[in-house]
Amino acid sequence: QVQLQESGPGLVKPSETLSLTCAVSGYSISTGPYWGWIRQPPGKGLEWIGSISQSGTTYYNPSLRSRVTISLDMSKNQFSLKVTSVTAADTAVYYCARDRGDSSSDYWGQGVLLTVSS
Amino acid sequence: QSALTQPASVSGSPGQSITISCTGTSSDIGGYNYVSWYQQHPGKAPKLMIYDVSSRPSGVSNRFSGSKSGNTASLTISGLQAEDEAHYYCSSHRNAGTAHVVFGGGTQLTVL
Repeated sequence: QVQLQESGPGLVKPSETLSLTCAVSGYSISTGPYWGWIRQPPGKGLEWIGSISQSGTTYYNPSLRSRVTISLDMSKNQFSLKVTSVTAADTAVYYCARDRGDSSSDYWGQGVLLTVSS
Repeated sequence: QSALTQPASVSGSPGQSITISCTGTSSDIGGYNYVSWYQQHPGKAPKLMIYDVSSRPSGVSNRFSGSKSGNTASLTISGLQAEDEAHYYCSSHRNAGTAHVVFGGGTQLTVL
């Protein structure tokens, strides 16, 4: 059974860098095909952030591309998200998920709330 | 404003069928058979219900079906049940210079 679990600081100050990690169990991330991040501001809809293939190729939301980095850590079977220069608009529940390779996500983490506030 | 357009809400009585539409462009829905649908209950992670326009993951009821015509995709739920009450989101692969994924704004389904 594939399981994903997000972890992060919970609270980040404006202008700082947000860092989240997604630990995967029951499946090797080296098998792929893709691993991604999606976020959901409180009371709002889903926003795709980006994804990474098992070979390290990344795809990003054009509106976030300049601030986002997704990376893999095969040794720990996890992948990570960094978002720089955060503002209150980055406050959201952040989900990690496995992308089947057809832009659909079949396994999701439970989500982690990240708040941007001073 | 979301990239894909969905109605904000739909409703139906138990046992009835409802359809949720999702309208995009030729750069996403109209250009690829990579449309998916998600169900989300309050406080829960989204659940994949349909992928590749009309395929169902293992374990998803056959009361859920998907289709596409031109730039518009649809999710139909037949034999509505109380447990179907949730938010539903469509998504699609998009390539307008760079490949990425776009979501609809979501539709609240109310079972009357």
